[in-house]
Amino acid sequence: DAKTTQPNSMESNEEEPVHLPCNHSTISGTDYIHWYRQLPSQGPEYVIHGLTSNVNNRMASLAIAEDRKSSTLILHRATLRDAAVYYCILANYGQNFVFGPGTRLSVLP
Amino acid sequence: DAGVTQSPTHLIKTRGQQVTLRCSPKSGHDTVSWYQQALGQGPQFIFQYYEEEERQRGNFPDRFSGHQFPNYSSELNVNALLLGDSALYLCASSLTGLGVYEQYFGPGTRLTVT
Repeated sequence: DAKTTQPNSMESNEEEPVHLPCNHSTISGTDYIHWYRQLPSQGPEYVIHGLTSNVNNRMASLAIAEDRKSSTLILHRATLRDAAVYYCILANYGQNFVFGPGTRLSVLP
Repeated sequence: DAGVTQSPTHLIKTRGQQVTLRCSPKSGHDTVSWYQQALGQGPQFIFQYYEEEERQRGNFPDRFSGHQFPNYSSELNVNALLLGDSALYLCASSLTGLGVYEQYFGPGTRLTVT
């Protein structure tokens, strides 16, 4: 399975943008980049996914490098509710997810 | 629309016993995956069920088995429990054939083995 590398932890101030990086140098051409987050005492929840182009949705934006070897999840205005562990996952369509340890995001008021 | 539901919420078992965990997928979903999440770690894939068959399996021993019913709900069975089986067990559902592989996770079942 393709692997990703993320920082163990990051901190942000409330209402400021947050850029969460993910490196995936061994990504294959058919791997989708998925981002999930896990709030305390909950199961992971879908944030965003993409293949080659940058993506936006109501929760976040996903910026994908031109060579696809890295990506960045962007939270435009962090709130206290965004404090969670963020997972960057590579998977082909239908393939099971391989979770790493993720990035623990702390949001300071 | 109810999301993914799991039962029970918490469970305490003794080493050597057997346990059954249950999962109801999100309405309209036909595929169920199970994950084990140890404290402080990311979820680890156990197996996936589709059309009542095990379609994919992670690196877990045969003590871990599952079943999917015609209504797409699923069970995870663990035999001969070990202390190391203590974890949060997550169920995720998805729709095969949609073209997008988005998984919806339940809140999990916290299993403690003593």
